[in-house]
Amino acid sequence: GAVVSQHPSRVICKSGTSVKIECRSLDFQATTMFWYRQFPKQSLMLMATSNEGSKATYEQGVEKDKFLINHASLTLSTLTVTSAHPEDSSFYICSARVVGRDYEQYFGPGTRLTVT
Amino acid sequence: GQNIDQPTEMTATEGAIVQINCTYQTSGFNGLFWYQQHAGEAPTFLSYNVLDGLEEKGRFSSFLSRSKGYSYLLLKELQMKDSASYLCAVMDSNYQLIWGAGTKLIIKP
Repeated sequence: GAVVSQHPSRVICKSGTSVKIECRSLDFQATTMFWYRQFPKQSLMLMATSNEGSKATYEQGVEKDKFLINHASLTLSTLTVTSAHPEDSSFYICSARVVGRDYEQYFGPGTRLTVT
Repeated sequence: GQNIDQPTEMTATEGAIVQINCTYQTSGFNGLFWYQQHAGEAPTFLSYNVLDGLEEKGRFSSFLSRSKGYSYLLLKELQMKDSASYLCAVMDSNYQLIWGAGTKLIIKP
């Protein structure tokens, strides 16, 4: 089956530092990957859509200069949280869409970010 | 606007049956998904409906009525491990997933 990995699974960083989260599709190609954020007891919030070889599309209210997304290959997208603050602490989840099959989307295991 | 509604929380007894409803209003429709999410984990795919009717997969079944903008997830022979949040999501005309807030299902012995 289709597997998506995320690294790291948990990260603790100090306020003001930057953190990079990787999302990889392990056994399929994904021209489109999605980045979500989920706060406790809330549903998933789409942050941005990442397309291989082009700029990401950010949802309203998400700062593109703060959440840098790079989708350099068909199997890797990265999210960098720059100058992190405690309010950025959240569960970040990526998902990848199978090339040519728009209805198939697989989720990574998520990354728990804690900013102190 | 786009809207997905599902109950916030439901409680059921081990061994019983529970039905979780979902109603939606979206810009276009390219299918409805149900995901299960345990606390602290990412969602896992349960079912996909794009045509009207019932899809059965083991203890779980999902129903769709496109004319009514309605779906339900039916869980039979409930087990304690089924305690989780169940997320309803609709894929709109742009193939974007629109998410409901999730239904927290509590299973009691």
